[in-house]
Amino acid sequence: DAKTTQPTSMDCAEGRAANLPCNHSTISGNEYVYWYRQIHSQGPQYIIHGLKNNETNEMASLIITEDRKSSTLILPHATLRDTAVYYCIVRLFYNQGGKLIFGQGTELSVKP
Amino acid sequence: DTAVSQTPKYLVTQMGNDKSIKCEQNLGHDTMYWYKQDSKKFLKIMFSYNNKELIINETVPNRFSPKSPDKAHLNLHINSLELGDSAVYFCASSQAQGPTYEQYFGPGTRLTVT
Repeated sequence: DAKTTQPTSMDCAEGRAANLPCNHSTISGNEYVYWYRQIHSQGPQYIIHGLKNNETNEMASLIITEDRKSSTLILPHATLRDTAVYYCIVRLFYNQGGKLIFGQGTELSVKP
Repeated sequence: DTAVSQTPKYLVTQMGNDKSIKCEQNLGHDTMYWYKQDSKKFLKIMFSYNNKELIINETVPNRFSPKSPDKAHLNLHINSLELGDSAVYFCASSQAQGPTYEQYFGPGTRLTVT
């Protein structure tokens, strides 16, 4: 399973875009990139996922480089409620039971 | 309605006791999971069930025994509790096992063993 590398922590001003990078240089061709976040004391929350193309939903955008070795999660207008630990995960193949392997994540602090 | 619920939210017990944590999902999903988050905040998969069948058992001590009475429930029973079992346990579910299916997590059960 491919490993991911993320910065330990980041700050972002409220109302500005938060750009969270993730390196996954050993990713295989049919492994997906997933992003989850965990707000303090709550269960992890799904944000977005992608394979090759950039993706956007109501929460965020996911930009995956052409070589798929890295990606960036973008929260377009960060609010104080977006303060959380953000996990970038490379999703294992189907026959691995669908488990998620969480790393340390990036602790994002959104400041007023 | 809560999609994935767990009971209890907090559980304080003594070493050597046996305890259970219950999980229910009302999403109609086929696959359910148990994750453990330790004091250093690392989240790690413990078990995965698909249609009541055990799919993943991540070298968890056999004191931990998951039970899935039906597709909507996955309970976790822990025998002979040890101090190191203190953690937050999260239940999750997904429509299926495949990599395109996101997992929905419950609120967690904070287990403290004294």
